[in-house]
Amino acid sequence: DAKTTQPPSMDCAEGRAANLPCNHSTISGNEYVYWYRQIHSQGPQYIIHGLKNNETNEMASLIITEDRKSSTLILPHATLRDTAVYYCIVSRGNSGYSTLTFGKGTMLLVSP
Amino acid sequence: AAGVIQSPRHLIKEKRETATLKCYPIPRHDTVYWYQQGPGQDPQFLISFYEKMQSDKGSIPDRFSAQQFSDYHSELNMSSLELGDSALYFCASSPTNVNTEAFFGQGTRLTVV
Repeated sequence: DAKTTQPPSMDCAEGRAANLPCNHSTISGNEYVYWYRQIHSQGPQYIIHGLKNNETNEMASLIITEDRKSSTLILPHATLRDTAVYYCIVSRGNSGYSTLTFGKGTMLLVSP
Repeated sequence: AAGVIQSPRHLIKEKRETATLKCYPIPRHDTVYWYQQGPGQDPQFLISFYEKMQSDKGSIPDRFSAQQFSDYHSELNMSSLELGDSALYFCASSPTNVNTEAFFGQGTRLTVV
């Protein structure tokens, strides 16, 4: 699975949009971009994933560049409860065929 | 909705003892993953099972073994425990479909003293 690079930490004011970048320049054509987050010592929580098109759900939006070498997770209106470590993972999928490999994520601190 | 159930939630063992962690996946999920997360570290993949067969192996020590049973629950067996095995152990499950997400349990906190 391709390796990812994320900034170690980011700050965001409550109510503002949080834009978390991820570089995955070695991504291959059949690999998805997944985002998970982990609130202190809880089990990681799925946020969103995509292949090449931009995706949106009730939690966030995922913007993938046309060359697929980078992506941005957008939390449109960050709240204090969004403070967590955010992991960008590139994987061929979530099944018996592939594994989620966690790298160094981004610690997002949302402040009042 | 049913989630991934892990038991026990907390476990204290002495060095050289054995421990067994259990994971009950979401119904109709046939894939189970085990992760270890040491203090201040990121989750590290240990091993996974698909349809009761080992499907992938990560950095699992030889002292550890795991299996998935006919009802799809999984157990992680840890022997000759060392202080460095103290960590959070997460189990996750997912259905067969490739294009979907994995669901994580709340973890078992193992403390080796």
